[in-house]
Formats: sequence, C-alpha cells, structure tokens
Amino acid sequence: EVQLVESGGGLVQPGGSLRLSCAASGFTFSSYWMNWVRQAPGKGLEWVAIIKQDGSQKYYLDSVKGRFTISRDNAKNSLYLLMTSLRAEDTALYYCARVVTGNTGRPFDYWGQGTLVTVSS
Amino acid sequence: SYVLTQPPSVSVAPGQTARVTCGGNNIGRKSVHWYQQKPGQAPLLVVYDDSDRPSEIPERFSGSNSGNTATLTISRVEAGDEADYFCQVWDNSSDHPNWVFGGGTKLTVL
Repeated sequence: EVQLVESGGGLVQPGGSLRLSCAASGFTFSSYWMNWVRQAPGKGLEWVAIIKQDGSQKYYLDSVKGRFTISRDNAKNSLYLLMTSLRAEDTALYYCARVVTGNTGRPFDYWGQGTLVTVSS
Repeated sequence: SYVLTQPPSVSVAPGQTARVTCGGNNIGRKSVHWYQQKPGQAPLLVVYDDSDRPSEIPERFSGSNSGNTATLTISRVEAGDEADYFCQVWDNSSDHPNWVFGGGTKLTVL
C-alpha cells in the first residue's frame, strides 16, 4: 500500500525556518517525481515545488523561489522541504504528492494527509 | 503566468448532472486533471488527461476539454459527491515550468 506521511510542521515566527519531511512507503520512491502542494486555511490548492527522481531537476512556485528548497533522499525514501524566511502568507497545510509514472506533466495519484505550518508572532 | 478560472460554487439536485468548468487561455491544448477534495481529506484524482478515469473512480465522472474551457461532468449526482473540485494543468510555456490549480468549485448537492 502506497503511503506518504508528512511531518515537521508547527508554529514559527515570521522570518524563521522549518524543514518538512515526507516518508514514503509501499512503492519504489526513486522512480517517481515528487511534489509539495499547500493549502491555506479555507483556501484552494497551491503547488509549491517538484523534484525529479534523481534530484537533478527542481521547479518552484515563483513566490517561494530562493526561500524554499526541495530535496530528497532516495536511500531513506524521503522527501524534504526546507523553508526559510517564512512569511505569514506561507501559513498552510503542506501535502507531499506523488506524480504518476512519467514526466512532469502527469497528474498526482497519491497524497499524504499534510502537515500544518503556521507562521505567526 | 497561466491562470485557471473556476466558478466558486455549483449546486445540483440528487440524480441530476453537475458540470464544473475550468477556463484558461487555449486550455484545449493542455492536459487537464481534476481532483475531488472532501472536508478534512487529501485531494483525490478523479479525472486525468482531460477525460480518463482512475480505475477506482465511478463512470459517473467524466471530462472534456476544448478551446478555452475544460469541463468535469458528474452524472446521477449523489450526496457523497458533495466536495470541492479543482482543475490542474502543467504550464511549461516559459522557462519557469510549474503546476497551476484552479481556485476550486464547491459542489453542493441540494
């Protein structure tokens, strides 16, 4: 059974940093593109970042470029999101999501349950 | 950047047909994916590549895409279909490729 379990969320002050993790199981993690998607309270979905199977390609939402870094450790079946210079508008539930086998344009077939990040003083 | 526009809400009586639209410039040239999200749950893929369905999704869910509008159609709507629906496309038209989601449509079953 495919499982994605996020962790690392919490309350952080503006300007602070946080590292999110996503533990994957039930599939060959190293064979899939992976994403982070966020959802502010009561709002819609917003894609944040995507990383290729071997980590050689990464793309970001413009508003997080230079502040967030997506990475992965295929030996540990884990996806990460390092978030720095956090702002109030980064407050959201952060999901990790798997891309269906193939290239970047394929849909997301599995999602975790999310980890909540709250940026507030 | 590419923008997807969805109506905030759609209402339909049980047994009727619901249509949720997703507007975008020449969206017919892109592959559109649709997700269902119920309160407190993660999104669930219900239609991909405009009109294909994952095996576990009922045939009542279908999609189409042409011109500037993609449409998710839910036939014989049931109470359990009440949820938020989001469309999604991959925008690789610039040197900053990215995923774009529509703002979401809340489907209310009357």
